[in-house]
Formats: sequence, structure tokens, C-alpha cells
Amino acid sequence: GAVVSQHPSWVICKSGTSVKIECRSLDFQATTMFWYRQFPKQSLMLMATSNEGSKATYEQGVEKDKFLINHASLTLSTLTVTSAHPEDSSFYICSARTGIDNQPQHFGDGTRLSIL
Amino acid sequence: LAKTTQPISMDSYEGQEVNITCSHNNIATNDYITWYQQFPSQGPRFIIQGYKTKVTNEVASLFIPADRKSSTLSLPRVSLSDTAVYYCLVGEKNQGGKLIFGQGTELSVKP
Repeated sequence: GAVVSQHPSWVICKSGTSVKIECRSLDFQATTMFWYRQFPKQSLMLMATSNEGSKATYEQGVEKDKFLINHASLTLSTLTVTSAHPEDSSFYICSARTGIDNQPQHFGDGTRLSIL
Repeated sequence: LAKTTQPISMDSYEGQEVNITCSHNNIATNDYITWYQQFPSQGPRFIIQGYKTKVTNEVASLFIPADRKSSTLSLPRVSLSDTAVYYCLVGEKNQGGKLIFGQGTELSVKP
């Protein structure tokens, strides 16, 4: 149980385009989802917290107009990287948790984004 | 959120028991301690979670002393496939379950 799926797992696109990444909780309802990015040989950096039906809460230094997050249902959150540039190339990972107290976050397998 | 400190790297050999200790001096009363494992180009995988004393599951044990200012993840009889980065995190539900990742411990298991 507690499976989180991300799609796509790998994407290459041209500079200036927008890219959407999906995060789905397959066998549970996720009241809260989180988005992270990870550069090579570094730890995960929390970008934003997404609650179903409300606006995402962004961490300091993360541009909300650059990284659009939508959490329209209890099983789906999307991250759209708008007008992507090479410096946005990274590994993006989502996680999800239920509303049950102290249940751990479950992570997707990440999306490798490469901007040319 | 409580900050965690772990060794940056550890080496071990197949079949040995590995203990990774994490320091979290500012842990709050409502904080739980959670450990994750991450392989390259994959998302972190949940290993174990605990609040106090000892927790054991099919893959690991977690030891938490009474003051809860540290915790030790114990991996019995490691194999080559346990080579990964291990993260210790503390967090609690009243903060929406937000977790802040530290640097983690890069465990290398050798034959």
C-alpha cells in the first residue's frame, strides 16, 4: 500500500517551454502533497506544500509564479515549471501523506527534468 | 523544525550490522523521528518511524533514548544492495507533516 506515482519519469524540453509533472497517490487519499527538488549529490529541498482544494504554500526563495502547483483532488497534484530554463534542470520529487496522525510521507520516484 | 545531524558517510562490509546515529537536540514534544533510504535517481523510501524507546520492523530497528535528542538506525546484516543515502528527519502533524531533509548519510557496503 501507500504508492505514489509520478509522471513523466524523465523529460527533455527546449528552453522557454512549460512542463507539467503529475503526482498521484494510487491507493490512498492524500490530503497533503509536497514537492521537492534535488540537485546531483545534494539533499532534497522542499519547494512547496500542497493541500487539496487550497493554494500551495511555498518555501522561502521558491517563485510561485515559476512553479505552479495545483492540487485539485485527493489523489492528484501537479507541478508546472513555466518558461523553463537550463537552471531549472533538476530532479523533482513529490510526496504524499494522508490526514491520519503521524503517518509517514510516501514519495514518488521522481521526474528528471532536462532543459536544453 | 528540529535540525538533524548525521555522519556524512559510512563504510561497511556485507553481513555486518550498521548503526547510523542522528542527533536532533531541538526535537519537540510532538515530533516523530522518521528514517528514509534513497537510491540514485529514485525517491526516498520509508524505512521506519518512532517516537521513543525501540521500534523494529522487517528491515530495521530504531533506538531512541529517553531524552529523544538522538536516534540510531540499525540495519542488521547489510548487503551490497543497502548501499544508499539514509536520511533522518523529525517532524510532526501540527506543521502539516512538513519535513526538512538534512544532508543524510551515504552508506557504502563493500563485498
